[in-house]
Formats: sequence, structure tokens, C-alpha cells
Amino acid sequence: GAGVSQSPSNKVTEKGKDVELRCDPISGHTALYWYRQSLGQGLEFLIYFQGNSAPDKSGLPSDRFSAERTGGSVSTLTIQRTQQEDSAVYLCASSPQGLSNQPQHFGDGTRLSIL
Amino acid sequence: QKEVEQNSGPLSVPEGAIASLNCTYSDRGSQSFFWYRQYSGKSPELIMSIYSNGDKEDGRFTAQLNKASQYVSLLIRDSQPSDSATYLCALRGGFQKLVFGTGTRLLVSP
Repeated sequence: GAGVSQSPSNKVTEKGKDVELRCDPISGHTALYWYRQSLGQGLEFLIYFQGNSAPDKSGLPSDRFSAERTGGSVSTLTIQRTQQEDSAVYLCASSPQGLSNQPQHFGDGTRLSIL
Repeated sequence: QKEVEQNSGPLSVPEGAIASLNCTYSDRGSQSFFWYRQYSGKSPELIMSIYSNGDKEDGRFTAQLNKASQYVSLLIRDSQPSDSATYLCALRGGFQKLVFGTGTRLLVSP
């Protein structure tokens, strides 16, 4: 597709369950970023991929969060044993090579609600 | 001190007026700055990027950067009700991740 695609668009799950969120970046973009936006909060960086490698994982809030990227394209963000504080909109962005003068283009996000 | 600070607003302006949105940042080494617009329930949309001191104009939008004073601003001329949204200021951090402010909510009344 032309833009960054994320699925599912909405996810409601019970506390303690695991969830997987998917991001399909713009074709040819090697840099991929995950952010999350909690109610009333700014966007918070989670993890950065360059190709299949993640040189910056500094934003992952706990070891319950992990992410991978395969084939230099699709990325999945996994949250294990979800907690209510994990409720947020998870946004994925991509840019051509991740250079400083290249903007990041965002997907529509996954709205995650933990009951 | 937060890395990027914005007044949460709301900033209310009448249709046709100039809206002025401001942002300050703490890292004096920051080089790249961005303004994103986010409608309620939607993803952020890039409006402007600015890398050099001074003004950068694009249509009704002007971004201003003053690295000595560590502030970035966005001016919206001839504001329209459709400009009502939250405006996010962001800078490039390590590994090119974006560091965002919490956003300023703009309300343009007809």
C-alpha cells in the first residue's frame, strides 16, 4: 500500500493476555519506529529498527514488551501478560533510511484496551 | 524539565486570525524539528520540518526556529475551523527517534 499499515485497528483484551500488534511500513523504507500514546500523554518512543536490527530499544517500558522485524519489512510488537497501564494507542512510523532530514510517516495506530 | 515543552491549551482563535503555537526544548544540540498535526482519533500528520535558524514558509504555515533561545514556533495564517486539532512539536533524538511534546490543542471558531 501507499502508507504505513497497522493491524488490528482496535484490540480489546483481558489483563494477563498476550497481544501482537503488526506494522507494515511504506515499501522500501528501511527505518521503522514504534511509539505509543496514552490518554492525555505525548507520543512516547518505544523501539527503532534499521532493517531487521533494533539498535535502539531504550523506550520499551518493561521486559514484557518485545518487537521483531523480518525481511526488512513487517514488524510485530508483542506485549506479554498485559496490564491495564498498557492501554494506549500504539503507532508505527517509517522513513526511507532513518536519516535526520527524512520525515517519519505514521500509520493509523492500534488502539489497545486492557480490561 | 521535559525535553520538549508545549502549552497544552486550548488555544482559541477566531476564523481568519493568526494562530501562534510555541515549543521550547532542553537539548541545545538538537538539529531537526518537526510540527505534526493530529486530529482526534487520528494519527499524526507531518506539517513542517525545519533545520536552520529563521523562518520557513509553506502555504499558510510558517515554522520559526531560534536555536540560541531553544524555541520553535508554528504560525498558521488565515486560520480555518478545519485547522482545529492538536499540534505536536517534535525533535530528532538519538538514532533519529522523534521526541514529542504533549501537544497544543487549537480551536478555531467560525
